[in-house]
Order: sequence, then structure tokens, then C-alpha cells
Amino acid sequence: ETGVTQSPTHLIKTRGQQVTLRCSSQSGHNTVSWYQQALGQGPQFIFQYYREEENGRGNFPPRFSGLQFPNYSSELNVNALELDDSALYLCASSSGGNSPLHFGNGTRLTVT
Amino acid sequence: GQQLNQSPQSMFIQEGEDVSMNCTSSSIFNTWLWYKQDPGEGPVLLIALYKAGELTSNGRLTAQFGITRKDSFLNISASIPSDVGIYFCAGLNTGGFKTIFGAGTRLFVKA
Repeated sequence: ETGVTQSPTHLIKTRGQQVTLRCSSQSGHNTVSWYQQALGQGPQFIFQYYREEENGRGNFPPRFSGLQFPNYSSELNVNALELDDSALYLCASSSGGNSPLHFGNGTRLTVT
Repeated sequence: GQQLNQSPQSMFIQEGEDVSMNCTSSSIFNTWLWYKQDPGEGPVLLIALYKAGELTSNGRLTAQFGITRKDSFLNISASIPSDVGIYFCAGLNTGGFKTIFGAGTRLFVKA
């Protein structure tokens, strides 16, 4: 069973730039969720994708957007990066419903 | 919105001691989850609870789903150095799309 994989592991960007983070879901999982984890905090829900459509969204502005592909992999795009966007971005997959999330090891984004 | 309150924020214990941490919410959840996060890694699922009153074990870990559905606790028996990390509780409602996380309990174990 292949777990959730994320790329890249680390990334440094400048304020105002755009970034794309990638995620491959665990085999057998059709739902992908993205979370932002600031230092010393718990993960905060950004959005969830199911059947290639956004299935729900947390309290994040529209410059955070995503995609899900037919193979259930996903991308998180962030436009007009701000310093406060510096965080660990976690991708998690599940088989939907109330099944638990399984996380990747995240992408550490630093915005300077 | 829904929030989960975890306590304590951090714990410093001796190897071999038992540990107890808990999580409360002002809202009802149908599923309670406990995760552990090590430095540089994503959270790893420890225990999933699906029924009010349910008590589930995973090795030295035991977790319970509170009967009010507004709380859960996690116990670790006979702690060892590799138990060090951040423990998160999380809640989810059936048909919902959002798993909500607490702020975590940081566990330090002294050998």
C-alpha cells in the first residue's frame, strides 16, 4: 500500500509570487484534503476535493485554490504569496465519509 | 465555528510513567481521532473512535469517545522515549467534509 506523498519537501518563495504544491493520495483513497499548519499550531482545514471538485472549504481566501485529477492526485495553488503563508502544508487522503485522514509529510513553505 | 480544546498544552514526564490527555468541544462529533506528529513529519493516525462510550486500545495507547460526544481522552501507559511528540485530537461529523484539529499536547519523556 502506497502512502500519501507530497512534493516538494521544502520551498522558499518571495512575497507576491505564486506556488504549486503536489500530492499523490494513498492507493484506494478518492478524497484529498489540504491543511495549513503554522508553527506550534494544529492543522487548519483549507479545502477538500472529491471527484475532481471542491467538496468543502475552510476560512481561506480565494487566492488558495486547488485541483484534483482523475487519478485522485491533487495540487494546491497559492497566488500573491504573503509572509503569513509561511507554514507546513499537509495533504491528506481518505476514502470519504467519516473515514480518517491519512497524511503525507508535508511541504514546508517559507515566504520571504 | 467548531473548536477543540486540548489539555494539557505540554507534559514533562519520566520514562515508565502513565500519561493522560484530553480534548473537549462545545459541539458534538460522530467520530473522534487521535494523531501523533513527530518533527518534520505529518500526523500519523493512532486511534479512531466511532461510537459514544467506545473504548479502544492500540498497544500501550487507550482512547475513549465521551458519552456526551463532546469529549475524548487518550492514555499512554508505561511511557518510553519514543513517545515524545505532539498528540492531536480531531473531530469529524458523518457527511461532513472537515476534520477539525486541536492545538496539540506536546509530550516530553525523560529517560
